[in-house]
Amino acid sequence: GENVEQHPSTLSVQEGDSAVIKCTYSDSASNYFPWYKQELGKRPQLIIDIRSNVGEKKDQRIAVTLNKTAKHFSLHITETQPEDSAVYFCAATDRMDSSYKLIFGSGTRLLVRP
Amino acid sequence: GAVVSQHPSRVICKSGTSVKIECRSLDFQATTMFWYRQFPKKSLMLMATSNEGSKATYEQGVEKDKFLINHASLTLSTLTVTSAHPEDSSFYICSATGLAVLSYEQYFGPGTRLTVT
Repeated sequence: GENVEQHPSTLSVQEGDSAVIKCTYSDSASNYFPWYKQELGKRPQLIIDIRSNVGEKKDQRIAVTLNKTAKHFSLHITETQPEDSAVYFCAATDRMDSSYKLIFGSGTRLLVRP
Repeated sequence: GAVVSQHPSRVICKSGTSVKIECRSLDFQATTMFWYRQFPKKSLMLMATSNEGSKATYEQGVEKDKFLINHASLTLSTLTVTSAHPEDSSFYICSATGLAVLSYEQYFGPGTRLTVT
């Protein structure tokens, strides 16, 4: 089955700087890679996702890149703001029958210092 | 669209009792629902996958007789923690996918915080 590793576990940046979180996956058949933001005690919220037929996707200050050959994908947040502080999880699909179960990385706690 | 609710949001129970958690898709038919457990400062760990009308598929290490999952309709799945013990205290989150939404994307419920005393 799929295994997802995520680094770093914690990340502290100054407001306005960029933040990069990296993930690797093991199953070359995985084809969907979402990123979630989770605030304390809340549900994970999808912030961006990418499919295996695309190398990069951007949505305002957030971008995701995917390297299928190396089996890694990254989240890039530019011009960070204090409200970006949260835990971020990457995930990869593990196809099971007609559904796609997600395997999550271990999470990155991002702190944006004002 | 694609809203998922969970009930209750918080529950405290005594050791040895059973607790039922409901997960509902409010505006779409959820053909598949997933149940996760999240311990403090940890990641989401998939417990099981349930498809409407069939038995749930449990992840390795998850006791199916302890965590009973029922997905009797296209809008409701329930997780029952039987004979709960303090080590079962955790944040339980469901998610759902369906025919009317992208099959890849999962929509998460708000979670249920279970405390077993």
